[in-house]
Amino acid sequence: DTGVSQNPRHKITKRGQNVTFRCDPISEHNRLYWYRQTLGQGPEFLTYFQNEAQLEKSRLLSDRFSAERPKGSFSTLEIQRTEQGDSAMYLCASSLTSGGAPDTQYFGPGTRLTVL
Amino acid sequence: GESVGLHLPTLSVQEGDNSIINCAYSNSASDYFIWYKQESGKGPQFIIDIRSNMDKRQGQRVTVLLNKTVKHLSLQIAATQPGDSAVYFCAENKGNFNKFYFGSGTKLNVKP
Repeated sequence: DTGVSQNPRHKITKRGQNVTFRCDPISEHNRLYWYRQTLGQGPEFLTYFQNEAQLEKSRLLSDRFSAERPKGSFSTLEIQRTEQGDSAMYLCASSLTSGGAPDTQYFGPGTRLTVL
Repeated sequence: GESVGLHLPTLSVQEGDNSIINCAYSNSASDYFIWYKQESGKGPQFIIDIRSNMDKRQGQRVTVLLNKTVKHLSLQIAATQPGDSAVYFCAENKGNFNKFYFGSGTKLNVKP
């Protein structure tokens, strides 16, 4: 399968613990995005990378959240000191930018986080 | 069958009928729109896109219509099939190619 992959698919943790999610984009896609989706809502943008550079972060991304894409390929999203309000589906998407034109974002299956 | 977005978040149609899913977008600066389909437990799947210099675009069994005057987008699905059952989201870019803003979605139920 050459699509976007995310691991783990499900994560249950206790409040106050740290969690880390991984996203592997479509090969050769230079942009990678993180979104958060709560039940019954559409995905909300969190941050995106072009290659290894993190170019934009939403104000939704509090100081407890950090994302990296060290080699411009896979990315990790870490949440420190998790809170019950962090429970959501975390979606990753990737795209190949062609410069000056909109590029289509392809989504992975998501990681569902439950904070007890 | 036809939905009116937030007022009717669930649309039920009979298999074989045509479906129309509506979306009111918020920002007149948006110049690129995408419809995504999301099945339970899966990530959103790209269906079709349209740029603001067009008012209609057709794909396989799907058509997207854009009315910039009233900031309205619709997705038409021809000969709806049970496999079309999912939540459908429209997404706008608000003039920024780097991220998308999603609506709350419309659930499509296809009755056999």
